[in-house]
Amino acid sequence: DIQMTQSPSTLSASVGDRVTITCRASESISFWLAWYQQKPGEAPKLLIYKASSLESGVPSRFSGSGSGTEFTLTISSLQPDDFATYYCQQYNSYYITFGGGTKVEIK
Amino acid sequence: QITLKESGPTLVKPTQTLTLTCTFSGFSLNTGAVGVGWIRQPPGKALEWLALIYWDDDSRYSPSLRTRLAITKDTSKNQVVLTLTNMDPVDTATYYCAHLRRRFFDSWGQGTLVTVSS
Repeated sequence: DIQMTQSPSTLSASVGDRVTITCRASESISFWLAWYQQKPGEAPKLLIYKASSLESGVPSRFSGSGSGTEFTLTISSLQPDDFATYYCQQYNSYYITFGGGTKVEIK
Repeated sequence: QITLKESGPTLVKPTQTLTLTCTFSGFSLNTGAVGVGWIRQPPGKALEWLALIYWDDDSRYSPSLRTRLAITKDTSKNQVVLTLTNMDPVDTATYYCAHLRRRFFDSWGQGTLVTVSS
């Protein structure tokens, strides 16, 4: 199975900060990676697919990059609505796996 | 607009079988490249993919749970059913169904919390 490792597990930041979250795959997944945002008590919401494609309706301050085994999700200027937990998900292999999540907290 | 909603018991006893139904609208499981997946999330923990089924009945399961899982679809009712046998307290979680675009999830149900306790 492909393992997905996110770092950091928790991140403290302020409104307006540039934030970067990393997701590493245990083997190459090409660019078959998605990112989700989840707020407490809510279902996850798709942000990015195919490593860097922005889902319709998602603000442009969110961006994704990477290929192979290392990927990043960047929020260019953190907004109050962005404090949440973020998950990566690989869909290259026969099985789907999620990362362990990164919680973005208010500093 | 795609919507999905999970339904089923909120409380099950250890060793029982859990049956959850995902009822959806806004798409058809008769359409090519369309699928539905199930994902769960124990309280305070990360997302865990469980199973998925495509329009052509191709179904896949998490390797760690495959002996306990089954997924089926009823296209006439716009439903997907997940069963998980031999429930244990560690299976306590919010269970989500979601629409598959290729193999990522672009629309999610609200989730249903299932507690396993005697």
